[in-house]
Amino acid sequence: DAGVIQSPRHEVTEMGQEVTLRCKPISGHNSLFWYRQTMMRGLELLIYFNNNVPIDDSGMPEDRFSAKMPNASFSTLKIQPSEPRDSAVYFCASSLWATSSYNEQFFGPGTRLTVL
Amino acid sequence: AQSVSQHNHHVILSEAASLELGCNYSYGGTVNLFWYVQYPGQHLQLLLKYFSGDPLVKGIKGFEAEFIKSKFSFNLRKPSVQWSDTAEYFCAVRRGAGKSTFGDGTTLTVKP
Repeated sequence: DAGVIQSPRHEVTEMGQEVTLRCKPISGHNSLFWYRQTMMRGLELLIYFNNNVPIDDSGMPEDRFSAKMPNASFSTLKIQPSEPRDSAVYFCASSLWATSSYNEQFFGPGTRLTVL
Repeated sequence: AQSVSQHNHHVILSEAASLELGCNYSYGGTVNLFWYVQYPGQHLQLLLKYFSGDPLVKGIKGFEAEFIKSKFSFNLRKPSVQWSDTAEYFCAVRRGAGKSTFGDGTTLTVKP
């Protein structure tokens, strides 16, 4: 299995531009999580989906952030417009969720976003 | 709200020293507990997990953790650290299905 795939691995953009981060979860996993990691704030959960449905988006910082999961094998996190304070590493993670078993999350390699 | 506390933000040890990283959580119900490791420049990887049964859990690379329900703790241990254990360690607590709550992380530096 290829694991969780994220693209791009690095993104450098200018303030005000739209940024789209992509994630392909592990095949068969039905929970998907987006995290942001910075030195100042550590690891923050932004949003997570179960069976393609957003369950908790309370961690999304503001309206500039949006996430979608159109199908079980693809999710996007979009920032529009981007700001320098959005610079961080964004991780996607997936797991297999079932009512009778709780499994660990598998993390992707992350996208390092720099907003100038 | 559920919270996870990792008491040590930065730990510095010499090789062969013993390690114990603290993790406490605030939720009183049934929980699943995890320790993840993030090596420099890499993504988080699972070290070990506890769901039920023996409260002493053994993970990869010689790590173990003990779940003490009465203390709401899940401390990570390793009897003899190596330089390659230099990384950031995250404790996570998951209640039921859904999201995990992560601690702030502990940075471990092992001096050769």
